[in-house]
Amino acid sequence: GAGVSQSPSNKVTEKGKDVELRCDPISGHTALYWYRQSLGQGLEFLIYFQGNSAPDKSGLPSDRFSAERTGGSVSTLTIQRTQQEDSAVYLCASSLVSGGDKYTQYFGPGTRLTVL
Amino acid sequence: KQEVTQIPAALSVPEGENLVLNCSFTDSAIYNLQWFRQDPGKGLTSLLLIQSSQREQTSGRLNASLDKSSGRSTLYIAASQPGDSATYLCAVGNSGNTPLVFGKGTRLSVIA
Repeated sequence: GAGVSQSPSNKVTEKGKDVELRCDPISGHTALYWYRQSLGQGLEFLIYFQGNSAPDKSGLPSDRFSAERTGGSVSTLTIQRTQQEDSAVYLCASSLVSGGDKYTQYFGPGTRLTVL
Repeated sequence: KQEVTQIPAALSVPEGENLVLNCSFTDSAIYNLQWFRQDPGKGLTSLLLIQSSQREQTSGRLNASLDKSSGRSTLYIAASQPGDSATYLCAVGNSGNTPLVFGKGTRLSVIA
């Protein structure tokens, strides 16, 4: 079946502009995660959605970052007033919460964001 | 706060060699541990997931072990091939479906 998809694959923007990054999780996966991978920093957690529960936003680095998940499926990560330090690869993952393969996180290919 | 460390940061081996990648974590109260592979410019591919109650998992030429009490895991790759060249990431989950805490990875090069 189809894996996690993300769009766009690459995004170049100017400092101060807003950007939206999209994630389509695997069908039936109720858990969805956003991570950020920066050079030399490794992967860091940003935000986590699980079903209808309130999202875990504890990893968002500032109030310029927000995310929503509509209809329990597609998610959009929005970065307002982008800064150069926001340049990174943004990765989305999804997982099941029941069944034999629960907890295994499946990752999308990522969106490479460059802020000039 | 959970911290995950991977040693070495980079490793280069000749084709055919068996090798071990190391992962350590500071808080032993984990729920599971996952090993991932990342190819340049790509996302992550899950290799193995070990539940906290398990000691090891095997998939083909890969074997991952977990010593929860000592905060360590190893990924053993048998008979390495050039196609194994990638960055290998270790990540721990502190409960079922929760965000993972990642190490910075080991960049593996297998030379033909």
